Amino acid sequence: QVQLQESGPGLVKPSETLSLTCSVSGGPINSYYWNWIRQPPGKGLEWIGYIFYSGSTNYNPSLKSRVSISIDKSKSQFSLNLTSVTAADTAFYYCARDRAPRSSWFWFDPWGQGILVTVSS
Amino acid sequence: QSALTQPASVSGSPGQSITISCTGTSSDVGGYNYISWYQQHPGKAPKFIIYDVSNRPSGVSNRFSGSKSGNTASLTISGLQADDEADYYCSSYASSSTLVFGGGTKVTVL
Repeated sequence: QVQLQESGPGLVKPSETLSLTCSVSGGPINSYYWNWIRQPPGKGLEWIGYIFYSGSTNYNPSLKSRVSISIDKSKSQFSLNLTSVTAADTAFYYCARDRAPRSSWFWFDPWGQGILVTVSS
Repeated sequence: QSALTQPASVSGSPGQSITISCTGTSSDVGGYNYISWYQQHPGKAPKFIIYDVSNRPSGVSNRFSGSKSGNTASLTISGLQADDEADYYCSSYASSSTLVFGGGTKVTVL
């Protein structure tokens, strides 16, 4: 079955760029929307954005000015960049596949296990 | 784009039914039937349990059911079991192909 695995630094300094990668295994990266979602410790979920396998993207309006998501189909990976981070960006970051048919939206399944990124000097 | 409103906590005894509400606006919950629900146990990634308001993915117990009326969606758990103790999140399609989550509800089995 499809599995997702996040990777990247667990500690980022304030004002720097947070960069994470999600590796997809056990299934194709084509024909799906791939999402990033985050969760500050002890708090709720926040959708960050998605990338379609074709490369088209869409972002949460509240993060749009700082976020970019890219895809490398040859490696079955997609990546998140979040610039100018502050302590408020400290969170568990999850990648997830949207497996909805195009008649629907946002069926997140599966999810990666999540990676904690702490913003601190 | 504000988070959908969920009660912070809901509790019930084993065997009982509980309902979690998820209130938004006509721009999200009330405007679309792309409502999903997720269950999250402590230290784990969320699990997909309801899609398109009231449909269950394969393998999800039929004790979980969803509905919607106006700007409020609901998740009902019937025959409450110890393993249902978890956090539950709703999500809704919003305008311009974006998504908004609810703030989450902690379910406690007494």
